[in-house]
Amino acid sequence: GQNIDQPTEMTATEGAIVQINCTYQTSGFNGLFWYQQHAGEAPTFLSYNVLDGLEEKGRFSSFLSRSKGYSYLLLKELQMKDSASYLCAVTGGYQKVTFGTGTKLQVIP
Amino acid sequence: KAGVTQTPRYLIKTRGQQVTLSCSPISGHRSVSWYQQTPGQGLQFLFEYFSETQRNKGNFPGRFSGRQFSNSRSEMNVSTLELGDSALYLCASSFRTDTQYFGPGTRLTVL
Repeated sequence: GQNIDQPTEMTATEGAIVQINCTYQTSGFNGLFWYQQHAGEAPTFLSYNVLDGLEEKGRFSSFLSRSKGYSYLLLKELQMKDSASYLCAVTGGYQKVTFGTGTKLQVIP
Repeated sequence: KAGVTQTPRYLIKTRGQQVTLSCSPISGHRSVSWYQQTPGQGLQFLFEYFSETQRNKGNFPGRFSGRQFSNSRSEMNVSTLELGDSALYLCASSFRTDTQYFGPGTRLTVL
């Protein structure tokens, strides 16, 4: 089966950097997603990591270590609009996707 | 390209009734997945269809079923509704095995 852990809530200051961690234990692994979900809206894709290492996309970066079952999402130059839930999801065998319960990030002035 | 569409957006039913939700994927996407989202459980995987075949199934009772048509549109059905079925039901489509694009969801309330 799949088990995914991420912090429930985090608070960070506008303009700062925040790192959201995700650990997973899986019976199969193809890749790891990060999604952003604003309250009342559908999740939107942020990143997909298949190989170890850091991938950067503007203010957002995502890191993966397959041997450690660990990923993080790094958000730089935080803006108020970044207040949202961030979902970590793992794809296993046959493309089955398992989501974590999400980390609710609050950005304060 | 148009995004993933789901109908209806909101639905109110009573216990014991059944409901059918519809999802139209992005043009060219052959994979459609369904999720249930509740505040306490997060996103729970229901099932995935690819080319009209159910390829994966989550841990939900048999009251939850789905199908996919030849044009990739998908429907999910919930029979004998229970209060605990109240949730946001999200559909996501993908081209192959990677990025899933979510629809706006159907908010189901069971009274």
